[in-house]
Amino acid sequence: GQSLEQPSEVTAVEGAIVQINCTYQTSGFYGLSWYQQHDGGAPTFLSYNALDGLEETGRFSSFLSRSDSYGYLLLQELQMKDSASYFCAAALPGAGSYQLTFGKGTKLSVIP
Amino acid sequence: SQTIHQWPATLVQPVGSPLSLECTVEGTSNPNLYWYRQAAGRGLQLLFYSVGIGQISSEVPQNLSASRPQDRQFILSSKKLLLSDSGFYLCAWRGTKNTGELFFGEGSRLTVL
Repeated sequence: GQSLEQPSEVTAVEGAIVQINCTYQTSGFYGLSWYQQHDGGAPTFLSYNALDGLEETGRFSSFLSRSDSYGYLLLQELQMKDSASYFCAAALPGAGSYQLTFGKGTKLSVIP
Repeated sequence: SQTIHQWPATLVQPVGSPLSLECTVEGTSNPNLYWYRQAAGRGLQLLFYSVGIGQISSEVPQNLSASRPQDRQFILSSKKLLLSDSGFYLCAWRGTKNTGELFFGEGSRLTVL
C-alpha cells in the first residue's frame, strides 16, 4: 500500500527555524507536495517538488530526495500564524489522472 | 479566476438518513475533481476522484457514492449514513500548473448522531 510518515507534533519558538520530515513508500511516484491547514479550515497548497533538490518560496522551502524516498518542509523566521498542521502528499498515478495521497499531518505549535 | 464552492458547510444527520454534498467549480473546464474525508485530528483520506462527466474512481469501499452529472459539479451521496461517516468532507480540483497542486473548497462538516 501507499504510506507517508511524518511526525505527529512539533513545537518551535517564534523566529526560529523548523524542519518537518516526510518519508514515503509508494508504488509509482510523481512528486511530493506540502499543504498547510489551520484549525477548522481547508488545506492550502504550499509547494510541490517533482525533482530532487530544494524549492524556495519566501520563508518556506521544500526538499526532495527520490533515492531516499524522503522530503522535508523548512519554515524559517517562524511566526505565530505559522501554528497549523502541515501535510506532505505524494502525487501518484491514477486512472486517467493523478491522485494525491496524504500523510497524517504534523501539528506545529509556535511559542513565544 | 477559478473558484470552488461546496455546501452545506455544516450538517447534523441521524444514523440511517441520506446524504448529499455538492461541489461546484467555476472558471475552468474539464477539471479533475476529488472528494476527501478528514476525521477529527487525522489526515485526509481520498474517497473518489473524477476526470470527466460520469467518470468516477473509488479509492475506498464504503457507504458512500459519488456522481458527476455536469462538467463542473461533483456530488457525494449516501443512502444510509453510519456513525463512522462523521467527518470533514473536502472537495478539490487539481490545478494545471503543478501535478501536486489541489485547490480545496471550504469543506462540509458532517456529524452523524
